[in-house]
Amino acid sequence: GAVVSQHPSWVICKSGTSVKIECRSLDFQATTMFWYRQFPKQSLMLMATSNEGSKATYEQGVEKDKFLINHASLTLSTLTVTSAHPEDSSFYICSAYVSGGEETGELFFGEGSRLTVL
Amino acid sequence: AQSVTQPDIHITVSEGASLELRCNYSYGATPYLFWYVQSPGQGLQLLLKYFSGDTLVQGIKGFEAEFKRSQSSFNLRKPSVHWSDAAEYFCAVASTGGFKTIFGAGTRLFVKA
Repeated sequence: GAVVSQHPSWVICKSGTSVKIECRSLDFQATTMFWYRQFPKQSLMLMATSNEGSKATYEQGVEKDKFLINHASLTLSTLTVTSAHPEDSSFYICSAYVSGGEETGELFFGEGSRLTVL
Repeated sequence: AQSVTQPDIHITVSEGASLELRCNYSYGATPYLFWYVQSPGQGLQLLLKYFSGDTLVQGIKGFEAEFKRSQSSFNLRKPSVHWSDAAEYFCAVASTGGFKTIFGAGTRLFVKA
């Protein structure tokens, strides 16, 4: 299957700094990627839809100025948490959408990135 | 609005016993349904999916799920659980084949020897 890689897997930063998380599709091109946030022992919350070459579409309640998403190429989307605070600590997961037609669309997930803000 | 309910937060089964994880969805049209598994600290792996056709779908690792439109359910089953199946399981729904997927709260499976 298609492989999606996230980097870094773990990151610890000081409050007030910015952190960038990369999501790469290694062996395929992804026009659309999604960013999810997962709190401990909870489900995945869709944050935004990242479209190559255009602005991301954010879900209601997600601060677009706090969580900057850039999808500059067909294999790379980045999530930058700006001016991070402890409440931004979470597990961030990206996924890439592959459409082979209506019956064969599928999401491929990265391994996730755990952010801890001190 | 789309939603997914997994009524069981956690389930414990003995190794070798059968397993059923419940999932109910709310969606106005024919849903695309998925089951994913997540091991601790990792991303998600697709177990199986239902788009149309046969309502009993087979997945990887010996899992299967049955779509019941009348009950708005898509329960996951496995006839004999292995210790390596211990993980978090998520049921999910989407309007098309995986695009903008909405996840249930998850069910954590514990397997006892």
